[in-house]
Amino acid sequence: EVQLLESGGGLVQPGGSLRLSCAASGFTLRSYAMTWVRQAPGKGLEWVSSISASRTATYYADSVRGRFTISTDDSKNTLFLQMNILRVDDTAMYYCANMLTSPAGTKPFPGYWGQGALVTVSS
Amino acid sequence: EIVLTQSPGTLSLSPGERVTLSCRASQSVYSTSLAWYQQKPGQAPRLLIYGASSRATGIPDRFSGSGSGTDFTLTISRLEPEDFAVYYCHQYGESPLSFGGGTKVEIK
Repeated sequence: EVQLLESGGGLVQPGGSLRLSCAASGFTLRSYAMTWVRQAPGKGLEWVSSISASRTATYYADSVRGRFTISTDDSKNTLFLQMNILRVDDTAMYYCANMLTSPAGTKPFPGYWGQGALVTVSS
Repeated sequence: EIVLTQSPGTLSLSPGERVTLSCRASQSVYSTSLAWYQQKPGQAPRLLIYGASSRATGIPDRFSGSGSGTDFTLTISRLEPEDFAVYYCHQYGESPLSFGGGTKVEIK
């Protein structure tokens, strides 16, 4: 059974840093592209960042580029999101998801999601 | 950036009814790279449809997706009590990836 478990969320002051982890089980992380999606309280979903299955390419939303870094430790089946220079508008539930591909082999899409880690940025 | 607009914002319906949700893209979505997700309160999103019309594993056949280009539709043929939730469309064909604002399907 595929499971994704996020950790590392919490309360941080503006300008601070946090590192989220996403522990994967039931599949081999190194075989999949992975992504982070966030959801501000009472709002919709917002894509944050993705990393390719080859780990040679990373992608970021404009709102986090230069402040957030996505990475993996494939030997530990774990995905990370390093978040620096946090702002009040980064407050959200952060979900990790693995990226699946269709039999037709087109672009990957978020498949299985974790339950999320809550990040609150406030003074 | 591709902007996805979902309509309506909220639908009030009764169990057993048929529902059609709309997702319109600001420009053509690459190769029908369009997915639909269901989210219930306090839960993570669940994948329903990918590739505009392919059902994900374990998704009942009352859910169907259609469309191409800029116009996409999610149809629930007969609403079950567990289907009351928020539904999001998502384009994954072009970076930055983007989600629609969601349609809430509530009990009438």
